[in-house]
Amino acid sequence: NAGVTQTPKFQVLKTGQSMTLQCAQDMNHEYMSWYRQDPGMGLRLIHYSVGAGITDQGEVPNGYNVSRSTTEDFPLRLLSAAPSQTSVYFCASSYSAAGEYGYTFGSGTRLTVV
Amino acid sequence: AQSVAQPEDQVNVAEGNPLTVKCTYSVSGNPYLFWYVQYPNRGLQFLLKYITGDNLVKGSYGFEAEFNKSQTSFHLKKPSALVSDSALYFCAYSGTALIFGKGTTLSVSS
Repeated sequence: NAGVTQTPKFQVLKTGQSMTLQCAQDMNHEYMSWYRQDPGMGLRLIHYSVGAGITDQGEVPNGYNVSRSTTEDFPLRLLSAAPSQTSVYFCASSYSAAGEYGYTFGSGTRLTVV
Repeated sequence: AQSVAQPEDQVNVAEGNPLTVKCTYSVSGNPYLFWYVQYPNRGLQFLLKYITGDNLVKGSYGFEAEFNKSQTSFHLKKPSALVSDSALYFCAYSGTALIFGKGTTLSVSS
């Protein structure tokens, strides 16, 4: 079982560049979400999706876009990267938002914006 | 606003001693509460969760947590710490999403 797969694992961007962080899960989970982890800040929710075609904003959505065209994939787009977006990004999935059966996390993408 | 708080940035304990990592919550209704652990340069690993039922929840690697409604707490405990328990620990609650505390670094010395 692959679980939650994030690509790439590492990325360096120049300010103003755009890119897409990929997240895919093979567990048929309806719920998926994106977090960023910064030292001393814990994990902060960027966007989440409760099913294909449905997305919503989390705590820190500015500068990020998402879409959910399939159950399996939930890409995160940076439209114009800024140094403040330097962070480690985690994708997670679950059967439901409540997580009574648990959340599964990807291994993360370490992004540096210079 | 609903939240979980981890009042200690760092907890230091000697190997073999009991450990406690604190978490308090401010969540309406019946909260679903979780503990996750992150080892250096790794993703998050699930330790345990409280959904309903017995207030003492047992999880992975010998960890347990006690849900205390009157004190709105969900502290993580282990009777005898190991050096390998040194990691970053997160408390979280779920509603429309999984919301995390800021994390507590546990350092176990030999």
